[in-house]
Amino acid sequence: DVKVTQSSRYLVKRTGEKVFLECVQDMDHENMFWYRQDPGLGLRLIYFSYDVKMKEKGDIPEGYSVSREKKERFSLILESASTNQTSMYLCASTALKRGYTFGSGTRLTVV
Amino acid sequence: GEDVEQSLFLSVREGDSSVINCTYTDSSSTYLYWYKQEPGAGLQLLTYIFSNMDMKQDQRLTVLLNKKDKHLSLRIADTQTGDSAIYFCAESFNTDKLIFGTGTRLQVFP
Repeated sequence: DVKVTQSSRYLVKRTGEKVFLECVQDMDHENMFWYRQDPGLGLRLIYFSYDVKMKEKGDIPEGYSVSREKKERFSLILESASTNQTSMYLCASTALKRGYTFGSGTRLTVV
Repeated sequence: GEDVEQSLFLSVREGDSSVINCTYTDSSSTYLYWYKQEPGAGLQLLTYIFSNMDMKQDQRLTVLLNKKDKHLSLRIADTQTGDSAIYFCAESFNTDKLIFGTGTRLQVFP
């Protein structure tokens, strides 16, 4: 089975901290995505990547950056965490047009 | 523009059929998907349908696509308590980027 692993299930960080959310997939997928999920808003795309060292902005990239140094790893970075970034963060990967495989999510709380 | 809409809640009795509806605005979508999210978990792909199909059946799940009305539905037969979850529809175009709906929370009561 394809596996997408997010390094943390729960994180609590302080306002202003730099936060790294890690995502690793083991199926050699080219495409990887970061979403945030908020009640009533569904999933909103933050950033995505179609290849190593390549990144594209999604719908809500402000306050975030990403890194894809290796094909299997896609990191989401909050340069200076703020309380409005408290959310559930979901990573996904895919190859071919068969839908995404999602990680279990990281619930981030910024205090 | 790209927009996918779903009703937020659905409540059904155990053993009944559930029908979750979704409307989308972009007729150029190529694939349409249904995902399930159980509490505290990521999203799990349930099924997908190619845009040139009208219907797809997979055990208790039936997907119906009406391209003219841009309407997608997911029917769950014999709904069980384990089906309680949030269900997302999503569409994709000629890339692998998906546009998700807001999700429908299905609650199954005995």
